[in-house]
Amino acid sequence: DTAVSQTPKYLVTQMGNDKSIKCEQNLGHDTMYWYKQDSKKFLKIMFSYNNKELIINETVPNRFSPKSPDKAHLNLHINSLELGDSAVYFCASSYRDRNTEAFFGQGTRLTVV
Amino acid sequence: AQSVSQHNHHVILSEAASLELGCNYSYGGTVNLFWYVQYPGQHLQLLLKYFSGDPLVKGIKGFEAEFIKSKFSFNLRKPSVQWSDTAEYFCAVNPGYSSASKIIFGSGTRLSIRP
Repeated sequence: DTAVSQTPKYLVTQMGNDKSIKCEQNLGHDTMYWYKQDSKKFLKIMFSYNNKELIINETVPNRFSPKSPDKAHLNLHINSLELGDSAVYFCASSYRDRNTEAFFGQGTRLTVV
Repeated sequence: AQSVSQHNHHVILSEAASLELGCNYSYGGTVNLFWYVQYPGQHLQLLLKYFSGDPLVKGIKGFEAEFIKSKFSFNLRKPSVQWSDTAEYFCAVNPGYSSASKIIFGSGTRLSIRP
């Protein structure tokens, strides 16, 4: 009965590869997000989708392509992985109304070698 | 630049000590404010939130925070910490200029509690 679930939890891959992270929420929220947490624990929003439509794109390199097949899913595809992409990626969801908190997934630790 | 600032990067306390973690933001207008906690190896969990009303809000696990509009602050407090409070604490803001929910985080404060 996990509210926001991400897969995989750990991902180790070589530079130049393409990988995807999946996220699903069962809270009935209409907005989903991807956040990146770097090695210093700094959390930065990457994308936000509302009802499958992109509403926030925080100048993320176009190697990162989010895809939302429906409002309960937001996947993150990363092309040509670089060493600097190593981080923990958190998916989150909420209602679009700003008077709401976000619920976070367990995170995906991506290591690029 | 608009931001959320947490000036304490690492706080070390003994059990039973009182805690106050600072948070300041630079967004004007109406803001929604949050404190999230991240226990080692885990995801973020909401400790407490402020949207409106009483500026002193109480959260889970004995935490509270006070919104002081004139100081653009939302400091987190706990009268007596426990070893299990060891975690990373994040202040976050949903600024008023955004019609949609966009939660912006501070850089976090690592709290270490000595048994």
